[in-house]
Amino acid sequence: QQQVKQSPQSLIVQKGGISIINCAYENTAFDYFPWYQQFPGKGPALLIAIRPDVSEKKEGRFTISFNKSAKQFSLHIMDSQPGDSATYFCAAKGGSEKLVFGKGTKLTVNP
Amino acid sequence: DTAVSQTPKYLVTQMGNDKSIKCEQNLGHDTMYWYKQDSKKFLKIMFSYNNKELIINETVPNRFSPKSPDKAHLNLHINSLELGDSAVYFCASSQRVTGNGELFFGEGSRLTVL
Repeated sequence: QQQVKQSPQSLIVQKGGISIINCAYENTAFDYFPWYQQFPGKGPALLIAIRPDVSEKKEGRFTISFNKSAKQFSLHIMDSQPGDSATYFCAAKGGSEKLVFGKGTKLTVNP
Repeated sequence: DTAVSQTPKYLVTQMGNDKSIKCEQNLGHDTMYWYKQDSKKFLKIMFSYNNKELIINETVPNRFSPKSPDKAHLNLHINSLELGDSAVYFCASSQRVTGNGELFFGEGSRLTVL
């Protein structure tokens, strides 16, 4: 049972454009929503995370938008750069339970 | 300093063989994990150990046996390898209770079964 649904599966954006990746969850006990970034040949690394007490969190060009009532959250990458090309995973967890990952989005930013 | 290190980085072996992957973390975390990433990039948790105690054991064949000699090490032994075991295996660690939930991943061990 997939508890975090991520879309799109792949995304191609031009340099300078906005990349948007969406995730939806079902378990209302989730209270931690991170995004991980994975470059080829590397392990995933935490990019940015949010808790449900805020609707938005911004770190540089990366922003998480969180909609608790809709049980959805999204990652926005402003001014996308070729160096942002990677696979992005949303995830969710509740308390000390295991982290559940979405299926990933392969982002390609063309120069 | 590598926070989570796993060896070897690459394994190529024949069906039916046995192989092991080792993992060490120097972050002082109390919890370690093994994840499997298939060719479609899907990350699936296999096992988790908290202070050497097994706390997560997903539906994984008995051919996979994790061992945690101490909280800084988590090894994975795979018996009778099958073609479907080909994947990238990631070790990760976290501070389970007092931490914020962030997982720190190693760089992965790519297993190819011929």
